[in-house]
Amino acid sequence: GAVVSQHPSWVICKSGTSVKIECRSLDFQATTMFWYRQFPKQSLMLMATSNEGSKATYEQGVEKDKFLINHASLTLSTLTVTSAHPEDSSFYICSAQKDHNEQFFGPGTRLTVL
Amino acid sequence: KQEVTQIPAALSVPEGENLVLNCSFTDSAIYNLQWFRQDPGKGLTSLLLIQSSQREQTSGRLNASLDKSSGRSTLYIAASQPGDSATYLCAVKGSGGSNYKLTFGKGTLLTVNP
Repeated sequence: GAVVSQHPSWVICKSGTSVKIECRSLDFQATTMFWYRQFPKQSLMLMATSNEGSKATYEQGVEKDKFLINHASLTLSTLTVTSAHPEDSSFYICSAQKDHNEQFFGPGTRLTVL
Repeated sequence: KQEVTQIPAALSVPEGENLVLNCSFTDSAIYNLQWFRQDPGKGLTSLLLIQSSQREQTSGRLNASLDKSSGRSTLYIAASQPGDSATYLCAVKGSGGSNYKLTFGKGTLLTVNP
């Protein structure tokens, strides 16, 4: 149990377009989901915390109008990168929290903006 | 602000060797500590989770210890195998409630040579 999926696994887009990434908890309900960003050879940096039915809480320095997060149900959260630019190219990973304790991570989405 | 440091940044060992990965954190007021494994271009796999009240956890050839007062954790891998080659990440969850965020170290890149 405790499987988290992400879709797509990779995406290439043109500069200026928007990209939506989905994060799903497949076999449990997650009241809280987290979105991370990871640059090559760097650790995961938390972007925002998403609670079902409420607005996401963004970390300092993360533009909420740039990275739109929606957590519409207990099994789905989406991250939309709006007007993407090459500097937004990165590896985006989500996690879902179960039982108020352990976070389970998705496989990640590789975004490349041309 | 919590900071997590992992030493060494990279480690190369021959197959069969026992090894220890180190993790230190600056704020001892933690809720729990997790060790993860990340393969290249992939998401995170949780290996062991240690609650703040625990001293160690074991799973197969892996043993993780926690000394909260000194801000240290170790991950011991016995009889290493080439399949253990990956990046190992340490993360601590703050004690600001069960939904508090994880802070990650930069990881240790482990290579086990056959």
